[in-house]
Amino acid sequence: DAGVIQSPRHEVTEMGQEVTLRCKPISGHNSLFWYRQTMMRGLELLIYFNNNVPIDDSGMPEDRFSAKMPNASFSTLKIQPSEPRDSAVYFCASRRQVRTEAFFGQGTRLTVV
Amino acid sequence: DQQVKQNSPSLSVQEGRISILNCDYTNSMFDYFLWYKKYPAEGPTFLISISSIKDKNEDGRFTVFLNKSAKHLSLHIVPSQPGDSAVYFCAASQGGSEKLVFGKGTKLTVNP
Repeated sequence: DAGVIQSPRHEVTEMGQEVTLRCKPISGHNSLFWYRQTMMRGLELLIYFNNNVPIDDSGMPEDRFSAKMPNASFSTLKIQPSEPRDSAVYFCASRRQVRTEAFFGQGTRLTVV
Repeated sequence: DQQVKQNSPSLSVQEGRISILNCDYTNSMFDYFLWYKKYPAEGPTFLISISSIKDKNEDGRFTVFLNKSAKHLSLHIVPSQPGDSAVYFCAASQGGSEKLVFGKGTKLTVNP
């Protein structure tokens, strides 16, 4: 099993540009999570899906952020337009079911200049 | 509103001694708790978990203790090794919910 795969690993973009982060969860996992890691907030949950359906997006900071999961093997997190304060490491994680551990990808380090 | 709190940003211990990492939570409905370890430039990796029906779970050098009345859990690492130096995150989930909420993390440094 290849684990959770995120791309790109690093992204540098200019303020105002659209950024798309991608995630392939582990096959057979029913839940997918997007987290953002910052010094101030630690690992902050942005949104999670269950069976491809968004369940809780209360952590999405603004309307500039959107996430989709068109099928069980792919999800995107989009920021449009991006701002310097969006600079952080974004993690995707997947989980088979409740009361089990979630597996994380390597993360995408986003820098908005 | 931080439902899972790790109040110590950092901890430093000597190799061979015990490391104790603490975590508090505010939501009494949380019933499943996990600890993750994170090295720089990597994703968090699962370490150990505990269900609310237990008060202790052991896996090798790692033991997690749960005090439900105090809404507190702790991770003990004995003996600590330099390779244990990492950021440790506490996480919690509630009932049948898939939602997994993390604390801010504690950076552990084990000195040789």
